[in-house]
Amino acid sequence: RKEVEQDPGPFNVPEGATVAFNCTYSNSASQSFFWYRQDCRKEPKLLMSVYSSGNEDGRFTAQLNRASQYISLLIRDSKLSDSATYLCVVNNPGNTPLVFGKGTRLSVIA
Amino acid sequence: EPEVTQTPSHQVTQMGQEVILRCVPISNHLYFYWYRQILGQKVEFLVSFYNNEISEKSEIFDDQFSVERPDGSNFTLKIRSTKLEDSAMYFCASRARESSGEKLFFGSGTQLSVL
Repeated sequence: RKEVEQDPGPFNVPEGATVAFNCTYSNSASQSFFWYRQDCRKEPKLLMSVYSSGNEDGRFTAQLNRASQYISLLIRDSKLSDSATYLCVVNNPGNTPLVFGKGTRLSVIA
Repeated sequence: EPEVTQTPSHQVTQMGQEVILRCVPISNHLYFYWYRQILGQKVEFLVSFYNNEISEKSEIFDDQFSVERPDGSNFTLKIRSTKLEDSAMYFCASRARESSGEKLFFGSGTQLSVL
């Protein structure tokens, strides 16, 4: 079983739409969770950390369900500039490297 | 915001040649990493480096790979004898502390093409 699994997409949505991405992780001891954004041929950039209580940053809402080992990202009122690949990233216990999902590609269309 | 810088941005080499990819991590950071991403694939961990030694490496990081921090500012990845399958984007990253929640800063990457 892959450590971090994501629906690869692509998700093609019109401007203004709400879109949700899901991610599952296999290691129940995983401690920290993140969503990164990656533009084509660019480096991953941290979008937001994901906390157990759920957290919101403007149009972006992240949620974590530890019991189901499931993470989600909701984007409201999609903009053209949101078009990118969204990477689910997990950090296991100790000083271990981040584990990346393959990413979900989003295209927001005018 | 502080930046991790990588050079060159693109490197083309012949199979069997040695390449050195260079990175300048953020100045007060202590933990350094190399990741790679083959086109269309996920970002994969190669190696982590702390206190002038490798702290962890993946099975990708075989004897053909080595890392060095020669002068306290640069952090290099050397591939001794490149193979076609080494073609990928190589990202350097650094962070200040060991904490799992600590933000990881990525450089803009070196696109390596092995012909």
